[in-house]
Amino acid sequence: GQNIDQPTEMTATEGAIVQINCTYQTSGFNGLFWYQQHAGEAPTFLSYNVLDGLEEKGRFSSFLSRSKGYSYLLLKELQMKDSASYLCAAKSTGFQKLVFGTGTRLLVSP
Amino acid sequence: DGGITQSPKYLFRKEGQNVTLSCEQNLNHDAMYWYRQDPGQGLRLIYYSQIVNDFQKGDIAEGYSVSREKKESFPLTVTSAQKNPTAFYLCASSPAGTGLGETQYFGPGTRLLVL
Repeated sequence: GQNIDQPTEMTATEGAIVQINCTYQTSGFNGLFWYQQHAGEAPTFLSYNVLDGLEEKGRFSSFLSRSKGYSYLLLKELQMKDSASYLCAAKSTGFQKLVFGTGTRLLVSP
Repeated sequence: DGGITQSPKYLFRKEGQNVTLSCEQNLNHDAMYWYRQDPGQGLRLIYYSQIVNDFQKGDIAEGYSVSREKKESFPLTVTSAQKNPTAFYLCASSPAGTGLGETQYFGPGTRLLVL
């Protein structure tokens, strides 16, 4: 079967660092995507990992461990505008079909 | 200015009525997708199309239909057979590459409400 697990909600303070975890089980694996979605808006692409390790992109970094079926998204120097849902999505082998988690709603407070 | 457009932003459906949601992209992407998003649930795939004149059912295709007559367009019809259509509908597209090239890009969404 295919399953993505991530926490439902997290809170953090402006300027802090937060780590959003994601575990996945897919029939075959060919990449892990993170998207940001503000309420009522479309998801926007944040990062992609297919090999083990850390990918850094400004204030956002994403990590993947294929052997553990585990990824995290790290957000540094949090800003109020980072309050959003963060969606983890795994791609299985074959056609570009993604399996999405339910999303983690992050609330950044002053 | 490349992107994906969806219309309308809000759509109201009466009982027994079919409604069609529009999705257009000018990114020259081969693949297009329709997802449904409900509160507390992840995005669920309704239909997808890898190429013009071809499409496949996703995980929750019952009560929906699509067509792909042009590369740029992938309209979704919500039929009267879909008993619980109230949701946020998202259209996405992706190139035909692999790895990072498979990144899906989303339109702004259509919120469908039943009267």
